[in-house]
Amino acid sequence: NAGVTQTPKFQVLKTGQSMTLQCAQDMNHNSMYWYRQDPGMGLRLIYYSASEGTTDKGEVPNGYNVSRLNKREFSLRLESAAPSQTSVYFCASSARAAGAGANVLTFGAGSRLTVL
Amino acid sequence: GDSVTQMEGPVTLSEEAFLTINCTYTATGYPSLFWYVQYPGEGLQLLLKATKADDKGSNKGFEATYRKETTSFHLEKGSVQVSDSAVYFCAHQTGNQFYFGTGTSLTVIP
Repeated sequence: NAGVTQTPKFQVLKTGQSMTLQCAQDMNHNSMYWYRQDPGMGLRLIYYSASEGTTDKGEVPNGYNVSRLNKREFSLRLESAAPSQTSVYFCASSARAAGAGANVLTFGAGSRLTVL
Repeated sequence: GDSVTQMEGPVTLSEEAFLTINCTYTATGYPSLFWYVQYPGEGLQLLLKATKADDKGSNKGFEATYRKETTSFHLEKGSVQVSDSAVYFCAHQTGNQFYFGTGTSLTVIP
């Protein structure tokens, strides 16, 4: 009954360091998403993957890269971290493909990243 | 462009008070509408949804009605409990994209 699992839960980086946030879902969902959550700004979409083998930019993709490794896994990479990337990151997944009615997002517990 | 606007918080209510959190949306086409709830230290989880005009979503005593004419999806609960303290997000889905509001923090005091 794991749902969406994100690692790590907490990470502190120095400016310029790189890191990868991992996300895996065990619900056989087609679509996966990465959001960041900042105070007063709600959730903003960084990248999403509508299906295995495809990725698309969201609202705030600059400074990030993603990989849809297989149907289960969707990683988010920060190549050169900046203090502006201090945030809480959420991975989410949904069952249906685009335009197929009401998807429901299932979220992971979040990864809190601090960039000094 | 597509967006969601929801009531600014924080909101503080006494136990058993009536709750309304306003939400309006801008969308192309006919979106599905959602309320998600985030408890401290956790990810968001679906509270309720509605997929077409005049649908009412309900769960755990919370309700929201899809009003196409006013592009609104206001969240209501008749009698809040301390355990309802959380952040509430309104969202809509168009195509494969989800658009979230900024969240409304609710604190219920005994």
